[in-house]
Amino acid sequence: QKEVEQNSGPLSVPEGAIASLNCTYSDRGSQSFFWYRQYSGKSPELIMFIYSNGDKEDGRFTAQLNKASQYVSLLIRDSQPSDSATYLCAVNGRNFNKFYFGSGTKLNVKP
Amino acid sequence: DVKVTQSSRYLVKRTGEKVFLECVQDMDHENMFWYRQDPGLGLRLIYFSYDVKMKEKGDIPEGYSVSREKKERFSLILESASTNQTSMYLCASNLQGAQFNTGELFFGEGSRLTVL
Repeated sequence: QKEVEQNSGPLSVPEGAIASLNCTYSDRGSQSFFWYRQYSGKSPELIMFIYSNGDKEDGRFTAQLNKASQYVSLLIRDSQPSDSATYLCAVNGRNFNKFYFGSGTKLNVKP
Repeated sequence: DVKVTQSSRYLVKRTGEKVFLECVQDMDHENMFWYRQDPGLGLRLIYFSYDVKMKEKGDIPEGYSVSREKKERFSLILESASTNQTSMYLCASNLQGAQFNTGELFFGEGSRLTVL
């Protein structure tokens, strides 16, 4: 079983819609959870992190964490074509300095 | 701005060659990481280092070794390159974490290695 699972997509949404990206993880001892965005041919960049159950909002982005269900999600409101990228979920495990990545979900926002 | 620099963006090597991938960071980060990224498999951790001369195996260390002689520099070594090591290699760094590490890994631009 992989540490972090994501649907590979592609997920296609029209411009202005809400994009919902999901991630599950296997280690109940995981402490912190991250969403990275990776444009084609570029390196990943952090867009949000969360470590408490519930929601965390930052502009058009909301991260949601449910530790009981071992589930973390990212909502992107008012999606823009510039949001088209691959979104990587990452988790750090019991060793706080090690990060495990999902395979990423490719998001296409259509104008 | 944090800068992580990988020495080579594109490399083409032959099977059996020794390959060095170098990474330098300029923010005095304790932790440095080497990942490889393959389609459908995401980023997989090869090795990471939490201090000079200290290293820990990741999930796929076989066929790789690393060297960290100075805090700012972390090298990945393929002793005898094989075709299944054709991949994108990403170096990253961050500050050593407390329990709730903010988790911002700073990545280099990547090194695309092709082994023929």
